[in-house]
Amino acid sequence: GAVVSQHPSRVICKSGTSVKIECRSLDFQATTMFWYRQFPKKSLMLMATSNEGSKATYEQGVEKDKFLINHASLTLSTLTVTSAHPEDSSFYICSAPGLAGGVADTQYFGPGTRLTVL
Amino acid sequence: GIQVEQSPPDLILQEGANSTLRCNFSDSVNNLQWFHQNPWGQLINLFYIPSGTKQNGRLSATTVATERYSLLYISSSQTTDSGVYFCAVAYSGNTPLVFGKGTRLSVIA
Repeated sequence: GAVVSQHPSRVICKSGTSVKIECRSLDFQATTMFWYRQFPKKSLMLMATSNEGSKATYEQGVEKDKFLINHASLTLSTLTVTSAHPEDSSFYICSAPGLAGGVADTQYFGPGTRLTVL
Repeated sequence: GIQVEQSPPDLILQEGANSTLRCNFSDSVNNLQWFHQNPWGQLINLFYIPSGTKQNGRLSATTVATERYSLLYISSSQTTDSGVYFCAVAYSGNTPLVFGKGTRLSVIA
């Protein structure tokens, strides 16, 4: 099946610094990728949709200037958490839709990035 | 937007028991997936099942799209089945998944 990777898997940073998380589709192209956030013992919540070659679309309540998304190629989307604060500590997961017969169906998820802001 | 409800929220099973997890959703969808989230947070894709029935080993799933629900069956449960099971739906493969709150399963020896 299709594989999505994320890097880093875990990051600890000081308050006020910026952190970049990479999401790659390893064996397929993805014009669209999705970024989710999961707080402890909670479900996954969509943050934004990353579109190759155009601006990302953000969910209500997600600050686009704080969570910068760049879909640089058909296999790479990055999420940068700018000026991170402790309340940004969370588990960030990306996904990309795979294709079957040219039609997007199953979504494949990366392994996630655990961000801890001190 | 689409609402997804999962039940039960928590489930404790003795090893070897069977269980059924339920997912209700509020709108017609063309994508429904079941996931198992392991202790490290990785989402393991169990089934892509917008309709019909599928089986994979001790797991099987059925989605009745016209009645907007899906069921995940776990037979002969093992301790390694423990974790959180999520149901997620989307209008299409290219739209984001909306997740339920999950069922937290604990299988005890």
